[in-house]
Amino acid sequence: SQTIHQWPATLVQPVGSPLSLECTVEGTSNPNLYWYRQAAGRGLQLLFYSVGIGQISSEVPQNLSASRPQDRQFILSSKKLLLSDSGFYLCAWRPPLAKPYEQYFGPGTRLTVT
Amino acid sequence: GNSVTQMEGPVTLSEEAFLTINCTYTATGYPSLFWYVQYPGEGLQLLLKATKADDKGSNKGFEATYRKETTSFHLEKGSVQVSDSAVYFCALIFTGGFKTIFGAGTRLFVKA
Repeated sequence: SQTIHQWPATLVQPVGSPLSLECTVEGTSNPNLYWYRQAAGRGLQLLFYSVGIGQISSEVPQNLSASRPQDRQFILSSKKLLLSDSGFYLCAWRPPLAKPYEQYFGPGTRLTVT
Repeated sequence: GNSVTQMEGPVTLSEEAFLTINCTYTATGYPSLFWYVQYPGEGLQLLLKATKADDKGSNKGFEATYRKETTSFHLEKGSVQVSDSAVYFCALIFTGGFKTIFGAGTRLFVKA
């Protein structure tokens, strides 16, 4: 069966510090991968998605970046965090071809920028 | 453009009450429709899905019917429990699409 992992689960970082969040998927190949952010009490904002190694599509211009160095690894980074980067970050995957394309979400990382 | 609109929350119900969360969509074709649920502090989980008109998705006592004529996919449950307290997201995706379009989410509180 497939599983998705995110770490860390919780992170408190000062403004201006770097960020690296990691997401890995097990039990599948060539998944589509997604990063979402959820601000407190708000809906989901799609940040990045990837259909293959090294292929990243950005949905929102900001100080965040994403990379996919391996097939089942997706990393979200920032060189300098802003207060507005606080939120709940969710990674998700889905099979590339199997309908009806439901997504499977990780447990999330709660980021607080102080 | 394509979009999903959900009723605003929070919705507060007493245990064993009937639940309806409205969801309507705007789409240029015939998407697949989903309901996801997010329990406090967790990621989203797929609750149910429907891939074509008149399909009924069901799971854990929840159900929703894909209504093409009204472009709706309302979530219902006959008798809610305290453990159903969560945020519910309606969503759609097109065949071959990469991105799922989510509604804003509806928070449900169930009181004992």
